[in-house]
Amino acid sequence: GAVVSQHPSRVICKSGTSVKIECRSLDFQATTMFWYRQFPKKSLMLMATSNEGSKATYEQGVEKDKFLINHASLTLSTLTVTSAHPEDSSFYICSARDNGRLAGGPHEQYFGPGTRLTVT
Amino acid sequence: RKEVEQDPGPFNVPEGATVAFNCTYSNSASQSFFWYRQDCRKEPKLLMSVYSSGNEDGRFTAQLNRASQYISLLIRDSKLSDSATYLCVVNIGGSQGNLIFGKGTKLSVKP
Repeated sequence: GAVVSQHPSRVICKSGTSVKIECRSLDFQATTMFWYRQFPKKSLMLMATSNEGSKATYEQGVEKDKFLINHASLTLSTLTVTSAHPEDSSFYICSARDNGRLAGGPHEQYFGPGTRLTVT
Repeated sequence: RKEVEQDPGPFNVPEGATVAFNCTYSNSASQSFFWYRQDCRKEPKLLMSVYSSGNEDGRFTAQLNRASQYISLLIRDSKLSDSATYLCVVNIGGSQGNLIFGKGTKLSVKP
């Protein structure tokens, strides 16, 4: 099956610093990638949809200036958490949609392994 | 009303038991439906898609009732390795094809 990688898998940073998380589709091209956040014992919440070569689409309540998304190529999207605060500590997961598959198919999105961010 | 609602759980069952999870969704225009499994501190992994005709994969059976906007997952002869959180997921379609996740139901299978 398709593979999506994320880096780093775990990061601890100090309050006020910025953290960049990379999401890569390893064996397929992804015009669209999605960034999710999951707090403990909560469901995954979509933060934004990352579109290759254009601006990301953010969900309501997600600050675009705080969570910077760049999708510069068909295999890479990055999420930068700027001026991180302890309340940004969460599990961030990306997923990628395979350009070669029909929308709505059972394997439309492939998930990365997630990045656990802890802001101290 | 939340978009995707699931049994709150947790479900604690002995090995070999049959367990059923239920899920309802609010968007009648939802296009496709899935059950994902998520282990602690891991990403969700697709368990199976859910079709109107019902579908089975080994010990797992999924059913969809579009009229009632209801999805179910049945696990027979549960194993210790089935312990995980099971997420009901709905694709609401559109150009982006966003997935809407339920909060999940935690299953713990005991020896």
